[in-house]
Amino acid sequence: QVQLQESGPGLVKPSQTLSLTCSVSGGSISSGYYYWSWIRQPAGMGLEWIGRIFTSGETNYNPSLRSRVSISGDTSKNQLSLRLTSVTAADTALYYCSRGRHYCTGGVCSAAFDSWGQGTLVTVSS
Amino acid sequence: DIQMTQSPSSLSASVGDRVTITCQASQDIRNYLNWYQHKPGRAPKLLIYDASILEAGVPSRFSGSGSGTHFIFSISSLQPEDSATYYCQQYENLPLTFGGGTKVEIK
Repeated sequence: QVQLQESGPGLVKPSQTLSLTCSVSGGSISSGYYYWSWIRQPAGMGLEWIGRIFTSGETNYNPSLRSRVSISGDTSKNQLSLRLTSVTAADTALYYCSRGRHYCTGGVCSAAFDSWGQGTLVTVSS
Repeated sequence: DIQMTQSPSSLSASVGDRVTITCQASQDIRNYLNWYQHKPGRAPKLLIYDASILEAGVPSRFSGSGSGTHFIFSISSLQPEDSATYYCQQYENLPLTFGGGTKVEIK
């Protein structure tokens, strides 16, 4: 069973860059039919999708963050990375990495986040 | 963006009760909807995908229905371990979006 573990600094100063890593075990990030996403949850609020990377390297980002975010994968380490630049207090949140399975057949598609990490809390404060 | 509106935002029910949560999409999303359970300090868990299909290993007391813009999630007989927040999520369009969540408490 695949397991995901987020890691990174718990405290980032305003205007700096937030960098997180997601280590994947029990499965390869190169496996087909999957994409890998970052999702965050500010305290007391709902879930916000940040973006995703496919095994091809193609990425999609939430337009609300597109100018500041990048997601990459390191197949040699079986890890994902998230970079979010120019952070503010509004970026304080619990950050999750997640595996999304997806397939399409006959014009009908299915996609769902079937595995998640436990999340890592990032606080933006001076 | 497709807005997902869940109701109620919270509810309290007794063990054995039937619980129902609704999720309304701001536009037609066919059946491109999933439901997740989230307990504090734990990884969210996929319960229902494609609006009505039970994820492997998930108890049959959980169910989902609906298509288009209106969706329903139900727990047929609430158990103590079902205390959690439940989220719907659409994948018709990017950005992928979630409902605001429904916190289910046990009386």
